[in-house]
Amino acid sequence: DQQVKQNSPSLSVQEGRISILNCDYTNSMFDYFLWYKKYPAEGPTFLISISSIKDKNEDGRFTVFLNKSAKHLSLHIVPSQPGDSAVYFCARIQGAQKLVFGQGTRLTINP
Amino acid sequence: DAGVTQSPTHLIKTRGQQVTLRCSPKSGHDTVSWYQQALGQGPQFIFQYYEEEERQRGNFPDRFSGHQFPNYSSELNVNALLLGDSALYLCASSLVGSGPRRGGYTFGSGTRLTVV
Repeated sequence: DQQVKQNSPSLSVQEGRISILNCDYTNSMFDYFLWYKKYPAEGPTFLISISSIKDKNEDGRFTVFLNKSAKHLSLHIVPSQPGDSAVYFCARIQGAQKLVFGQGTRLTINP
Repeated sequence: DAGVTQSPTHLIKTRGQQVTLRCSPKSGHDTVSWYQQALGQGPQFIFQYYEEEERQRGNFPDRFSGHQFPNYSSELNVNALLLGDSALYLCASSLVGSGPRRGGYTFGSGTRLTVV
């Protein structure tokens, strides 16, 4: 079974600094990876995605890096803002529309 | 423009009971997927409905069943509830052929089910 793993359950970063969230995956073929953000009492919202044919994708303050040899992807948030405090999930697409999620990382931005 | 609407927001059931959760997709979407998010875990795929048929299913027992109506809304039914079914149940809608690749999924806020 194709999996994604987020090994850090929590991360604390000072406002204005860079936040780096990590995710490892297994058994990759051609794939699409995504990052979602979730606030309490809300559903996950899409942040950014990357195809496995690319190494990097950027959207404003958010950049996702894909290291295929290490089977690792990371999300960089620069600069971090208080509103970025949330739970972040990495996910991959399996089949046409099924998402396989990691366990999530709770990001806290300190003023 | 209404997004995905789920009801109820919270409910408490007793072991062995049955429960029905409801989802109205975002306007213009025709595909509904259901996910279970246990405490401290990421969402897990239960199944997906398109054209009133189950198209894909995750690793969940037959106690979990669903339905999609002609107006694209959907229900998730769980029979013979277990304590382990306590979770946040998320519904996501999309347009077939669009999918989640570039943000094509829209999630609802979920239904928090507690089984006692």
